[in-house]
Amino acid sequence: DIQMTQSPSSLSASVGDRVSITCRASQNIDTYLNWYQQKPGKAPNLLIFAASNLHGGVPSRFSGSGSGTDFTLIISSLQPDDYATYYCQQTYSLPSTFGPGTKVDIK
Amino acid sequence: EVQVVESGGGLVQPGGSLRLSCAVSGFTFSNYEMTWVRQTPGKGLEGIAYISSSGNNINYADSVRGRFTVSRDNAKNSLYLQMHDLRGEDTAVYFCARTNFRKIEPYMDVWGQGTTVTVSS
Repeated sequence: DIQMTQSPSSLSASVGDRVSITCRASQNIDTYLNWYQQKPGKAPNLLIFAASNLHGGVPSRFSGSGSGTDFTLIISSLQPDDYATYYCQQTYSLPSTFGPGTKVDIK
Repeated sequence: EVQVVESGGGLVQPGGSLRLSCAVSGFTFSNYEMTWVRQTPGKGLEGIAYISSSGNNINYADSVRGRFTVSRDNAKNSLYLQMHDLRGEDTAVYFCARTNFRKIEPYMDVWGQGTTVTVSS
């Protein structure tokens, strides 16, 4: 099984801050990496697919990069609606595995 | 409107069975792969079953293989998850998700609201 790790597990940030979340795969997954945002009681919401492609309707302050085993999600200027938990997901091996999540809360 | 709606969750005793359904609308179901994902407080998000658009290609997570069966009825725009020999660790919110592709990389772009399964005596 491909294991996914994320860091940090949580962070506190202010509106306007630049936020960076990293994700690491236990083996090479090329660009089979997606990022999701989830708010309490809701389903995950796709942000980035195939490592660096912004999903339709997602604000351009979100960006993704990386390939192989190391990936990064960047929020360039944190907004009030961005306080949530963020998950990476590998789809190199289906039905896929997710990282443990990074909770972003208000500083 | 593109939509997926899960149903069929509930309380079941250990060793019991349950069948989840996922009804889709707003897109051509037969053109899309689908994935069941579950979420528990302890284990987080877990992809558990994937099925190709025709139903000919299926993958399971090790945690459910041999106990769960995914199927689909393209004529009814519906996805199913038959669960047998349920255990406490199967307690979770179960989501169905449309699986799309960028070239060959899959991603889940439409999710339902989830249905809760509780396994307890």
